[in-house]
Amino acid sequence: QSVLTQPPSVSGAPGQRVTISCTGSSSNIGSGYDVHWYQQLPGTAPKLLIFGNSNRPSGVPDRFSGSKSGTSASLAITGLQAEDEAAYYCQSYDSSLNEGVFGGGTQLTVL
Amino acid sequence: EVQLLESGGGLVQPGGSLRLSCAASGFTFSNNAMNWVRQAPGKGLEWVSAVSGSGVNTYYADSVKGRFTISRDNSKNSLYLQMNSLRVEDTAVYYCAKEAVGYNGWYFEYWGQGTLVTVSS
Repeated sequence: QSVLTQPPSVSGAPGQRVTISCTGSSSNIGSGYDVHWYQQLPGTAPKLLIFGNSNRPSGVPDRFSGSKSGTSASLAITGLQAEDEAAYYCQSYDSSLNEGVFGGGTQLTVL
Repeated sequence: EVQLLESGGGLVQPGGSLRLSCAASGFTFSNNAMNWVRQAPGKGLEWVSAVSGSGVNTYYADSVKGRFTISRDNSKNSLYLQMNSLRVEDTAVYYCAKEAVGYNGWYFEYWGQGTLVTVSS
């Protein structure tokens, strides 16, 4: 059971918009700790997608955006493309566990 | 260009030991905390351990505390993970990750390609 809760799967057609939620608690996201997102393409290592809730590293398309409110965060992907099919993970810090924590991951399927 | 290259994975029996290495390049290694993150087959990501840039401060997940030891050699730009008393549930791909500090929390800025550790009799 992951500390941060994500839906196991989401799907969308090419060109559509999808969102992936990441729900935490008062000891992590709700305490103001940043949320970060990673993309893991099949058979590859994770890659940083969003850091500090809503910032994109250089090279990440602006189709990807992040937001945070209260004890939850969201990753939005607009203009869905076939190459976006991957697993997406959120990550934050938990003050009760005193360690970094991940969501369980969400598999995005492009229909 | 930042590069992280793990090595040392393999098949080991329960109760055995293994030492993972991560060779880093493309950044000032001693200026950055480094982490190990693992991923069991078909499962999600799990943070394992972290070490400060100087190597003085180390941190562990409860699941590995007392069995794993993280260390680094800044003269060799290398990160290590000594894994003892290995269990079947330690089977995973182990990733080396460069840490970055944000406004309110830290994250994994770059990742290696991973090395597979299989614990089985």
